[in-house]
Amino acid sequence: EDKVVQSPLSLVVHEGDTVTLNCSYEVTNFRSLLWYKQEKKAPTFLFMLTSSGIEKKSGRLSSILDKKELFSILNITATQTGDSAVYLCAVALNSGNTPLVFGKGTRLSVIA
Amino acid sequence: EAGVTQSPTHLIKTRGQQATLRCSPISGHTSVYWYQQALGLGLQFLLWYDEGEERNRGNFPPRFSGRQFPNYSSELNVNALELEDSALYLCASSLVEVIWPQHFGDGTRLSIL
Repeated sequence: EDKVVQSPLSLVVHEGDTVTLNCSYEVTNFRSLLWYKQEKKAPTFLFMLTSSGIEKKSGRLSSILDKKELFSILNITATQTGDSAVYLCAVALNSGNTPLVFGKGTRLSVIA
Repeated sequence: EAGVTQSPTHLIKTRGQQATLRCSPISGHTSVYWYQQALGLGLQFLLWYDEGEERNRGNFPPRFSGRQFPNYSSELNVNALELEDSALYLCASSLVEVIWPQHFGDGTRLSIL
């Protein structure tokens, strides 16, 4: 069975801290790994990673994929209260018949 | 450009009733996906439609069904509602060649009393 596991499940940090969110996966026919941010309702797309070792960056957020060890990390530097959200990791498969397999998410709370 | 729109925002039903949830994809997107997000369980895949055809369904009982209309909007029907069906139901859409959800709607919160 395809599986995506995120850790930690929840995290509380102070503004200005740097956080690392983890995502490991066990799937057949890996295609890509995606990160989403879900604040209240609709998850919004952050990154898609397909190749190992290539860091993707967007402002204070960055992510990297290790296809040998089957994991990805999402880093957020200089956290702000607006970063408080659930961060979802998902894996897209090459099989073509199954869309994304999601992890349970990491709930990040940033306090002032 | 309008995003993925879902209606209603909230729906309250009692056990045994039937619920219908609606989704309009982004213009030009012909694939629609439905996910259930129950507390503590993450997003669970329900249904996937491509250009009017059901492409795949997740591990849910047959009382969860749906369809996609010629204008690519979609409907999710849940029959014989149970307490455990209480969840946020998210719809997403994509271009047909993308094969993963590109944009999500805000969801319908279904509460079963």
